[in-house]
Amino acid sequence: NAGVMQNPRHLVRRRGQEARLRCSPMKGHSHVYWYRQLPEEGLKFMVYLQKENIIDESGMPKERFSAEFPKEGPSILRIQQVVRGDSAAYFCASSPRTATEAFFGQGTRLTVV
Amino acid sequence: DQQVKQNSPSLSVQEGRISILNCDYTNSMFDYFLWYKKYPAEGPTFLISISSIKDKNEDGRFTVFLNKSAKHLSLHIVPSQPGDSAVYFCAASGGSGNTGKLIFGQGTTLQVKP
Repeated sequence: NAGVMQNPRHLVRRRGQEARLRCSPMKGHSHVYWYRQLPEEGLKFMVYLQKENIIDESGMPKERFSAEFPKEGPSILRIQQVVRGDSAAYFCASSPRTATEAFFGQGTRLTVV
Repeated sequence: DQQVKQNSPSLSVQEGRISILNCDYTNSMFDYFLWYKKYPAEGPTFLISISSIKDKNEDGRFTVFLNKSAKHLSLHIVPSQPGDSAVYFCAASGGSGNTGKLIFGQGTTLQVKP
């Protein structure tokens, strides 16, 4: 999974600040998925994007969270006005097409203080 | 609404023996199943997958079995090695308009003792 690059690896934000998490998919992959892992839980799907399009955002919280995958550059997961409950590991995965195995990045660990 | 369940939070086996990790699902529309392995502070690593048209898939020491009637799959690791100690997640995808999003179980922590 070394091909999926996420940064930063660790991010500390104070309550009320914005968090931006970046994901560069593997070369040749145009499908990006974001997952969140809360402490002691499994990974939960958040959003699925293809270049310039949000395909499925059924797992995204209704407020404060947004995602994009521009034509050029990495996919961005943005969390506005962070709260302590947003503290989690956020993983990005990419795949060359739908319904195949996805390859994960190493994650961004967000801590809200 | 836990559609994929791993009921054993942990499993401990001796090196060289077989490890069997289990997973149950409730959504009969799932048609693709995967196992991932995860070390602390790292992302999940893909291990093996199986389509619903099969009941077994083997890759080296790893074999996944699928029982569609029971909505149950299992991962067999034989022989188990200390380096296999990690958290194992099963995941499923499928259904109408399948976007490839994965539904994960809660994970099983495997410890292989030397």
